[in-house]
This record gives sequence, C-alpha cells and structure tokens, in this order.
Amino acid sequence: QSVLTQPPSASGTPGQRVTISCSGSTSNIGSNSVNWYQQLPGTAPKLLIFSNNLRPSGVPDRFSGSKSGTSASLAIGGLLSEDEADYYCAAWDDSLTGWVFGGGTKLTVL
Amino acid sequence: QVQLQESGPGLVKPSETLSLTCTVSGVSVTSGSYYWSWIRQPPGKGLEWIGEYMYYSGSANSNPSLKSRATISVDTSKNQFSLKVRSVTAADTAVYYCARSVAHQGRYFDYWGQGTLVTVSS
Repeated sequence: QSVLTQPPSASGTPGQRVTISCSGSTSNIGSNSVNWYQQLPGTAPKLLIFSNNLRPSGVPDRFSGSKSGTSASLAIGGLLSEDEADYYCAAWDDSLTGWVFGGGTKLTVL
Repeated sequence: QVQLQESGPGLVKPSETLSLTCTVSGVSVTSGSYYWSWIRQPPGKGLEWIGEYMYYSGSANSNPSLKSRATISVDTSKNQFSLKVRSVTAADTAVYYCARSVAHQGRYFDYWGQGTLVTVSS
C-alpha cells in the first residue's frame, strides 16, 4: 500500500486531455513539492515534472503539473499513442524522512 | 553527460546478502549537490525508495520498511556507490535502480540507471 494514492488506471483517445491525480498528506505533498515520472514499458522511470509544475528540458508542454494542499495532478493534453506508460508521483515525506511514491497509474491510449 | 549503470548478481539465495554497485560517469559522487539513491520495483508493482547517501555531508536516509537491512556506501576511487541488503527473502525480488537526486528548485531524481533484476531464490 503506497503512501501516495493514485488511480490504478486511466485512458483516453488520441488528441484528448487526461488528468491523473495523486493524493497525500500534510507530511509529504502538503509540505514538499511533487515530482512526476513516466515509465515506458521495460524501461527506467524518467523525470516528467519536477517541483509541482516544472518541465525538464525536452519534455513537451503537453505535460503539465499542479498542486493544491495535499493533492497534485498531472495533465496530458493532445494525447499520443507514445504516451502509453505508467506514471508515478513522488514527494519527500518529513515524517518518514524519505521519499514516497504513488502506486502508479497505467495510462492506456485507446 | 551523466550516466548511471547498475551491476551485480542476478540471483541471490534467501537469508544471504544482496550486493549491487552503481557506476557513475559524467559527475563525481563526492559532489555536494547530489544524493545517491537506490529504488526498487517488484515485478508488476510500483516503485519503492530504499535509501540515499550524500558523500559530501555524510548524510544518509533509509526506508524504515526495510528495518535497517539496507546499507549504502560510496567508493570514491571508482566513482561508484553500492547497496547491500541483508537477510533477503523472496519479497526482495525486484528490479533495482540507482538514481541521482538533485536539489535545485526542489528535490527530484533527474538521472536513473537502466535497472537490474535481482531474484531471491534457492
């Protein structure tokens, strides 16, 4: 059971906008920034969003992040088939003194 | 260009010690700007952070769920960092990733190794 809660699955058709939620508590999301990682099948996770809403160089602006209180969201606009992957949220937890992850959301592009 | 590469045995017997090494290139493991972490992913499951170490400050943190079985160390002569997990069971079977976390506009894992599968079985 993960400290951060994500829906196990999400789906959309090409061109649609999809949102993935991540719920935590005051000791993690409520106190620290949220990062999002994309894991394509059979590969290592890749940083997608950092510090709630910043994109590393090379990440398309179709990907955006937001945070409010103890929850965060990842939005993917203009869905492409190549976006089919697992998405994980993560944050530092002050109570555990460590990193916590969400259980992951498997995005299917229909 | 920063690169991380895991290495180590793919098969470990129950009750023994799992040992993995992460070879880092493109940046020094002694840099004061980075933490060096291990993260694992059981087959078909999500990510679990194991622990981290910053050589510059000697600061270390680990996941309480491993009950102090995990230790991270650094070999500056080889620019590597290592993980040891004692008394392994089948529940420790996972793909193990090494990763770097940076503190700039927040903290996050910016570089990851490709991962290595470790199976615990007799």
